[in-house]
Amino acid sequence: DADVTQTPRNRITKTGKRIMLECSQTKGHDRMYWYRQDPGLGLQLIYYSFDVKDINKGEISDGYSVSRQAQAKFSLSLESAIPNQTALYFCATSDSYEQFFGPGTRLTVL
Amino acid sequence: TQLLEQSPQFLSIQEGENLTVYCNSSSVFSSLQWYRQEPGEGPVLLVTVVTGGEVKKLKRLTFQFGDARKDSSLHITAAQPGDTGLYLCAGEDGGFKTIFGAGTRLFVKA
Repeated sequence: DADVTQTPRNRITKTGKRIMLECSQTKGHDRMYWYRQDPGLGLQLIYYSFDVKDINKGEISDGYSVSRQAQAKFSLSLESAIPNQTALYFCATSDSYEQFFGPGTRLTVL
Repeated sequence: TQLLEQSPQFLSIQEGENLTVYCNSSSVFSSLQWYRQEPGEGPVLLVTVVTGGEVKKLKRLTFQFGDARKDSSLHITAAQPGDTGLYLCAGEDGGFKTIFGAGTRLFVKA
């Protein structure tokens, strides 16, 4: 079984809809991250959490919110999706320098 | 704002050729990581370098961290089609936040 899982893997939605992307990990790590990846821009940090009670904004948090339901679960929400949020979204966990990434969610906002 | 610039953005070479990918910044990083990402998957860590001037070898891959800990290079000897992928450098700022470069997309033709 994968250590970091993301659901859904693919999602197509319409402008204005609320979307939640979920991430679960079995690695027992306290630190979790959400990134978005766009062609030519690399990975940009949206939000990160160093433990269940700690939530921090990343470089591009506007239009997004997160919830750390438990050590193993970190969800990303788009309250009102817009087309420029079309991207590949990755969740990652870490307990050191290395980050372990999930397989990604491809989100398309029409 | 810390930035990591990678060059070249895209590289297409023949099997057996050597290549070098560069990662440059004006900022100092506590550590620097190189990841490789294949289509449909999240990035996977190749190596972490921590000490200025450090050189690490992983089979045909050689990684170097600059003396001032602002830049790094990845050299691949005798590239193979299996080396094809997106190579990302990432700098860690000492606070467990990681900045990613935009990546170098490598294509090795058989």
